[in-house]
Amino acid sequence: GAVVSQHPSRVICKSGTSVKIECRSLDFQATTMFWYRQFPKKSLMLMATSNEGSKATYEQGVEKDKFLINHASLTLSTLTVTSAHPEDSSFYICSARSGTSPYNEQFFGPGTRLTVL
Amino acid sequence: QQQVKQSPQSLIVQKGGISIINCAYENTAFDYFPWYQQFPGKGPALLIAIRPDVSEKKEGRFTISFNKSAKQFSLHIMDSQPGDSATYFCAASMYGNTGKLIFGQGTTLQVKP
Repeated sequence: GAVVSQHPSRVICKSGTSVKIECRSLDFQATTMFWYRQFPKKSLMLMATSNEGSKATYEQGVEKDKFLINHASLTLSTLTVTSAHPEDSSFYICSARSGTSPYNEQFFGPGTRLTVL
Repeated sequence: QQQVKQSPQSLIVQKGGISIINCAYENTAFDYFPWYQQFPGKGPALLIAIRPDVSEKKEGRFTISFNKSAKQFSLHIMDSQPGDSATYFCAASMYGNTGKLIFGQGTTLQVKP
């Protein structure tokens, strides 16, 4: 099946630093990638949708200058948390979808645990 | 309304029993309803999905029942096993909306041996 990887799986950083998380589709071309945030024992909250070669579309309430998303190729999207603060600590998950049909399955990555001290 | 409401929040079932999780939605434009399974510290994985043109879909021990008029759908796990212990999310999306998924709140299932 289709595989999506994320790197790193865990990251601990100091307050005020920036952290980059990579999301890769390993065996398919992802025309659309999604970034989610998940708090403990909570559901997935969509942060933004990105299409290859175009700007990401952010959900209401998500600061685009805080969470920079780049979808530079059909297999790679990155999420950069700029000037991270403890409240940004969370589990970040990406998913990828191929093709143009909106029914295409989304394949999820394993997630990245971010801890900001 | 973009919400998908999921219940129960948690569920304990004996091994071999049937686990049932329910979801309800308001937006009649939704036309794709997947269920995801998530283990702690991992990303969600698609279990099974249904479109509103059918009332039931079965894959192995997992069955989705869909009631279009009631705007409800449910996941049934037959012969539940301890390995099924996980968090389950229902979701919904609509055609032409970039495939964006609206997730339910999640149900934590514990299957006791």
